[in-house]
Amino acid sequence: AQSVTQPDIHITVSEGASLELRCNYSYGATPYLFWYVQSPGQGLQLLLKYFSGDTLVQGIKGFEAEFKRSQSSFNLRKPSVHWSDAAEYFCAVGARSQGGKLIFGQGTELSVKP
Amino acid sequence: NAGVTQTPKFQVLKTGQSMTLQCAQDMNHEYMSWYRQDPGMGLRLIHYSVGAGITDQGEVPNGYNVSRSTTEDFPLRLLSAAPSQTSVYFCASRYQGPNTEAFFGQGTRLTVV
Repeated sequence: AQSVTQPDIHITVSEGASLELRCNYSYGATPYLFWYVQSPGQGLQLLLKYFSGDTLVQGIKGFEAEFKRSQSSFNLRKPSVHWSDAAEYFCAVGARSQGGKLIFGQGTELSVKP
Repeated sequence: NAGVTQTPKFQVLKTGQSMTLQCAQDMNHEYMSWYRQDPGMGLRLIHYSVGAGITDQGEVPNGYNVSRSTTEDFPLRLLSAAPSQTSVYFCASRYQGPNTEAFFGQGTRLTVV
């Protein structure tokens, strides 16, 4: 079955520190992978996506993610975190069934210490 | 361009009441969907539609109905609200296909007492 796992429910980093959020997926074919961010009280916004080609993808707000097929991972990174990055982050895979539904991970809540 | 508009933003219902959550998009997207968000469970698909007149169930459809009479609108109906339906509901729209970006509404926080 298709699934997405985000092992870390909550992460706290200091402002200016680097960040890595983990995402592992289970999918039979080449996956379509996404990272979304949800600020408090808001809907989800796309940070970046991977379909094919270069395994390191750049997104908005200074985020990047690397697709590693051998590890079934798509980890999100940022070199220097800003206080405004505090939010919940969701990894998702686009399925080829059910009209192309999105399968989401459980989410990782990021807190930023001053 | 308004994107995806959901109403209401907040709602409190009594057990057994019915209500409709509204969702409208102005991007001419074929695919629309409803998710519910619960702590520690991410977003789970309730119902989806691949075009006007076509709807189908997601992974948690029980207790909810949908219809798609136009491309723009995709309302979600709670038939008889239960406390287990207390959640945050998101509507999303996208072009067809698993590799397209989904656009989300701001959510409806529903409490059933």
